[in-house]
Amino acid sequence: SAVISQKPSRDICQRGTSLTIQCQVDSQVTMMFWYRQQPGQSLTLIATANQGSEATYESGFVIDKFPISRPNLTFSTLTVSNMSPEDSSIYLCSVIGGTGAPIEAFFGQGTRLTVV
Amino acid sequence: AQTVTQSQPEMSVQEAETVTLSCTYDTSESNYYLFWYKQPPSRQMILVIRQEAYKQQNATENRFSVNFQKAAKSFSLKISDSQLGDTAMYFCAFMKLWGDNDMRFGAGTRLTVKP
Repeated sequence: SAVISQKPSRDICQRGTSLTIQCQVDSQVTMMFWYRQQPGQSLTLIATANQGSEATYESGFVIDKFPISRPNLTFSTLTVSNMSPEDSSIYLCSVIGGTGAPIEAFFGQGTRLTVV
Repeated sequence: AQTVTQSQPEMSVQEAETVTLSCTYDTSESNYYLFWYKQPPSRQMILVIRQEAYKQQNATENRFSVNFQKAAKSFSLKISDSQLGDTAMYFCAFMKLWGDNDMRFGAGTRLTVKP
């Protein structure tokens, strides 16, 4: 299994500012994933963060808006830049554990971001 | 690309009764994983049950079981003896066996268990 600590759990930010969300895993993992979950909606993948290489972004998400760092195999950050009210969402990091069976995705507890 | 469809935005069930949540998916992969995750109001994503596509036997976990129909690309979740603590959002999810291991989620079904 994997235990993920995600910080902050919530924040209220002014538009135009940036927020960096941290994700710490208690074991080494190759890939970490960042998701956005708008209120009452499903999880949408923002990007995949691999250690030692640039993150891979999904369609509709760009590095200038959501820069990601992955300095080592247990840690990643997601920054939400130049925020607007439309960025108000829950942001979750995730890792895949259990090489071989049983495989499972583990999630942080999420960051609830409100932009005012 | 893989897509996951949950056609029931909301469902309700009486405590102790049985409810089935539907999920269909589309993929050209032959080997993959399917999951049901539960998200209570605490926001924490909790694995309910997983199914490996290469296994014909339907997965079961206590009161939770799935009906996996690979040819029909269908993966429904049955909750027996529903409990108040089962009230949550339920997400069906797909993950390839090889290559990109990111999960693709359905839109979710909000389940309410009524006393």
